[in-house]
Amino acid sequence: DQQVKQNSPSLSVQEGRISILNCDYTNSMFDYFLWYKKYPAEGPTFLISISSIKDKNEDGRFTVFLNKSAKHLSLHIVPSQPGDSAVYFCAASENYGGSQGNLIFGKGTKLSVKP
Amino acid sequence: EPEVTQTPSHQVTQMGQEVILRCVPISNHLYFYWYRQILGQKVEFLVSFYNNEISEKSEIFDDQFSVERPDGSNFTLKIRSTKLEDSAMYFCASSVTGGAVTQYFGPGTRLLVL
Repeated sequence: DQQVKQNSPSLSVQEGRISILNCDYTNSMFDYFLWYKKYPAEGPTFLISISSIKDKNEDGRFTVFLNKSAKHLSLHIVPSQPGDSAVYFCAASENYGGSQGNLIFGKGTKLSVKP
Repeated sequence: EPEVTQTPSHQVTQMGQEVILRCVPISNHLYFYWYRQILGQKVEFLVSFYNNEISEKSEIFDDQFSVERPDGSNFTLKIRSTKLEDSAMYFCASSVTGGAVTQYFGPGTRLLVL
């Protein structure tokens, strides 16, 4: 039961161009979404998040867009840099009652930024 | 910048042995979590912990698993009798509060059960 789906296992982008990573979810109760970046043999590093009351959040080169009606979010990286090459995970949580917001992760998309 | 730390970075054990994985969460954080990632699979939630008790746990977190905060800084995950399928990366995370907040992850412990 994949509640969070990242349908592209990999993405290759030229340095300086835009990288767009996509994520779909099925649980309409999710109300908080996060993107993490992960290098091999390291833990997930938080990048950016968005609450369901917003449709866009921007932090430097990173922008996350949320389309609740489509249950879709995307991460835009502009401009892409070789150091951005990593696996990017989309994660979501639903926060209700006594829930502590455990995260549900997608399978990840491996981004390669070529010089 | 404060970070979550985990020890050991790697652990190799024989099937049936007990292992304890250790984590030091970020100092002002109150909520603690364990996740695992089996090779080639998703990161999966195991358990959350607040105020010295388990808040939530997944179906993966069966009687073989336990968590503890033995002192003011450490947060541990114990697997009582390891199985081959427990081989995975185990990540500890912490957050300031529960709910819709960012969780910060440690570097992980790679557990290999032989």
